[in-house]
Amino acid sequence: DGGITQSPKYLFRKEGQNVTLSCEQNLNHDAMYWYRQDPGQGLRLIYYSQIVNDFQKGDIAEGYSVSREKKESFPLTVTSAQKNPTAFYLCASSTNGRDRGGRETQYFGPGTRLLVL
Amino acid sequence: EDQVTQSPEALRLQEGESSSLNCSYTVSGLRGLFWYRQDPGKGPEFLFTLYSAGEEKEKERLKATLTKKESFLHITAPKPEDSATYLCAVQAGTNAGKSTFGDGTTLTVKP
Repeated sequence: DGGITQSPKYLFRKEGQNVTLSCEQNLNHDAMYWYRQDPGQGLRLIYYSQIVNDFQKGDIAEGYSVSREKKESFPLTVTSAQKNPTAFYLCASSTNGRDRGGRETQYFGPGTRLLVL
Repeated sequence: EDQVTQSPEALRLQEGESSSLNCSYTVSGLRGLFWYRQDPGKGPEFLFTLYSAGEEKEKERLKATLTKKESFLHITAPKPEDSATYLCAVQAGTNAGKSTFGDGTTLTVKP
């Protein structure tokens, strides 16, 4: 079955520690995204990548880093510089939409809940 | 800056009581409006994409409509299993791939 997987489901971070969230997709999508969701709120974009070896900052990139070395994978690192990391993190992927006027339906993984010890 | 506002924040319905959720948006050059359903602790599930004013999409008890300023998600004769948070998102302008999300409407359907 094609889809997006995220791991782990729950992650605990100690103060001053960097942690990495995994996101893998087998949908053959070019674009991938990371969002953060806080309780009762919508999704805020952290980083996105339209193609391998290229990525752009979203609206709340400070304290986060990403890499895109493979088409299928887009890991997110939450660094110690992110002072309020407790949240639900969602990864998504889409086609690049260039053949449909830039319209790209995003499909989401199951999410990772990050908690601070 | 693109803005998306969803109302109401929460909606409680009796089973069979039809209603509508609203998503109003302020963007420059709408390319697409998207509706998602999100169950607690899970990732959003895609429902509909709307591209131009006047367009409508239907799926079971749900119907999405789009005007130049807002979108409605109509729920006809809802069932308890329709209880979820419904998210609206827009893609606009030249920011390919960037979606702006509203805060969602949490729907509770009581039997």
